[in-house]
Amino acid sequence: QKEVEQNSGPLSVPEGAIASLNCTYSDRGSQSFFWYRQYSGKSPELIMFIYSNGDKEDGRFTAQLNKASQYVSLLIRDSQPSDSATYLCAVLFSGGYNKLIFGAGTRLAVHP
Amino acid sequence: SAVISQKPSRDICQRGTSLTIQCQVDSQVTMMFWYRQQPGQSLTLIATANQGSEATYESGFVIDKFPISRPNLTFSTLTVSNMSPEDSSIYLCSVDLRGVLETQYFGPGTRLLVL
Repeated sequence: QKEVEQNSGPLSVPEGAIASLNCTYSDRGSQSFFWYRQYSGKSPELIMFIYSNGDKEDGRFTAQLNKASQYVSLLIRDSQPSDSATYLCAVLFSGGYNKLIFGAGTRLAVHP
Repeated sequence: SAVISQKPSRDICQRGTSLTIQCQVDSQVTMMFWYRQQPGQSLTLIATANQGSEATYESGFVIDKFPISRPNLTFSTLTVSNMSPEDSSIYLCSVDLRGVLETQYFGPGTRLLVL
């Protein structure tokens, strides 16, 4: 079983819609979760992090965490073509030192 | 935020040779990380480089193949030794500004092709 799983996509949404990106993880002890955006040919850029169950909002982005279900998601409201990128979910390994485990990423395509 | 530079940005190398990748950050950081991203894949942590101590390697990565130096708090190098085509990848360094990971920034990456 992969430690961090994401649907590879592509997830295609029309401009202005809500894009919903999902991630599940296997390490029950994990406490910290991150979403990175990676444009083609570029390095990952941190866009959200979440530690507590529930929702965390930052502009058009909302991260949702459910530790009981080992599930974290990212919602992008009013999607724009500039949001088209690969979104990487990362989980902080609970084994005692700072190690991020990344999912394979979901490719998002926002079409006009 | 942090400004991170990597050199070289890309290279084409012959099998059996070695390449040293440099990572420079514009502020002092305790933790630096080296990742590999193979084509179409996600990021895999190679090792954690802390100043003043030996690098910590992840399973599947060994010091003889990927020696790392961390001479000070703003600089690190990763060497890819005795390269084979399977080493063709993007190599990224990242830094954690405050030791708590919500401020982890990535460098622009080094694109390596081994023939």
